[in-house]
Amino acid sequence: DIQMTQSPSTLSASIGDRVTITCRASQSVSTWLAWYQQKPGKAPKLLIYKASSLESGVPSRFSGSGSGTEFTLTIDVMQPDDFATYYCQQYSNSWTFGQGTKVEIK
Amino acid sequence: QLVESGGGLIQPGGSLRLSCVASGFTVNSVYMGWVRQAPGRGLEWVSVLYVGDRTSYTDSVRGRFTVSRDNSKNTLYLQMNSLSAEDTAVYFCARDGGLRGKIGAFDVWGQGTLVTVSS
Repeated sequence: DIQMTQSPSTLSASIGDRVTITCRASQSVSTWLAWYQQKPGKAPKLLIYKASSLESGVPSRFSGSGSGTEFTLTIDVMQPDDFATYYCQQYSNSWTFGQGTKVEIK
Repeated sequence: QLVESGGGLIQPGGSLRLSCVASGFTVNSVYMGWVRQAPGRGLEWVSVLYVGDRTSYTDSVRGRFTVSRDNSKNTLYLQMNSLSAEDTAVYFCARDGGLRGKIGAFDVWGQGTLVTVSS
């Protein structure tokens, strides 16, 4: 099974900050990687697919990069609505989620 | 849109069937998945039903859970047997984005239904 490890687990940020979350795969997943945002009590929302493709309707301040085993999600300018938990997910071999990164207000 | 139902309180060893009604697309035209989230924990992929009826399960539910669909009702199901406390979670159904070039990524999610396994 492919394991996904996110870092950090928790991140404190201020409005306007640039935030970067890292996701590492235990083996190559090529670019078969997605990023989701989840707020408390809500379903996850797809942000990025195929490692770097922005889902329709998602603000352009979100971007994804990487291939193989290392990936990043970047939020260019943190907005109040961006405080949430973020998950990566591989779909190269079955499906696996990372453990999540909670982005809190500093 | 996806709307789940069927969750509730069930005793250990019991069975439950979750339903997920789809609208705006047909469930037999895309992969459909189930993802769960235990209280205070992260997301865990549970199962996928492929277009050609092939299925896939995470190790912890294989042999106990069965995913299926009823095309006439445009509904996805998750039959859960031999439930234990470790199965307590919110269960989400989700649509794979394959029809829109996003195969493998879940682009539409239901609101989730809570399953609590406890005596």
